Amino acid sequence: AQSVAQPEDQVNVAEGNPLTVKCTYSVSGNPYLFWYVQYPNRGLQFLLKYITGDNLVKGSYGFEAEFNKSQTSFHLKKPSALVSDSALYFCAVRGPPLRASGGSYIPTFGRGTSLIVHP
Amino acid sequence: DGGITQSPKYLFRKEGQNVTLSCEQNLNHDAMYWYRQDPGQGLRLIYYSQIVNDFQKGDIAEGYSVSREKKESFPLTVTSAQKNPTAFYLCASSMEGTTVHFGNGTRLTVT
Repeated sequence: AQSVAQPEDQVNVAEGNPLTVKCTYSVSGNPYLFWYVQYPNRGLQFLLKYITGDNLVKGSYGFEAEFNKSQTSFHLKKPSALVSDSALYFCAVRGPPLRASGGSYIPTFGRGTSLIVHP
Repeated sequence: DGGITQSPKYLFRKEGQNVTLSCEQNLNHDAMYWYRQDPGQGLRLIYYSQIVNDFQKGDIAEGYSVSREKKESFPLTVTSAQKNPTAFYLCASSMEGTTVHFGNGTRLTVT
């Protein structure tokens, strides 16, 4: 079974400082990893994904994430936080396609981390 | 613009009533999903469908039902058998093996 852990319920950072939101995962085979952001009373917006290639993935709004296979981590980062980055962030993982067995492509989501950026 | 439309945004029902949440997508995606979101619990999968006229139970399907008669539509019915129906419900879709895209959700309150 696949799983995702976001160990911090909340991350506080001052505007202009770098931010990191942590994510670790467990999955059979090569992982497909995703980060989403959610603003209040809205759906999840896709930020970035890792499937293969360079371990540092760049995404929307200046966010990036680093895939670390040995540590099974995919932490979300931004060099300089903005107050408008304050939101709920979700990490998600799924395994590679299981065509032979007719498997699905359902990602598993973490519990979410609330990012609060202080002015 | 292509996207996923969930309606209504807010829904209020009395306990014991069934209620149907609408989800329509014009992204030509094959797969559609329903998630439930509760504070501090992340997203939990209710049902998913990979193709028209076929759907599978997710982790918390009890008290819910779905249909997939058209590729564009995947309505969710919250039945009176669902013990704690008050939640934020998210519909999503994807092409096979690609990024999942979400609608803006329906907040259901049952009193």
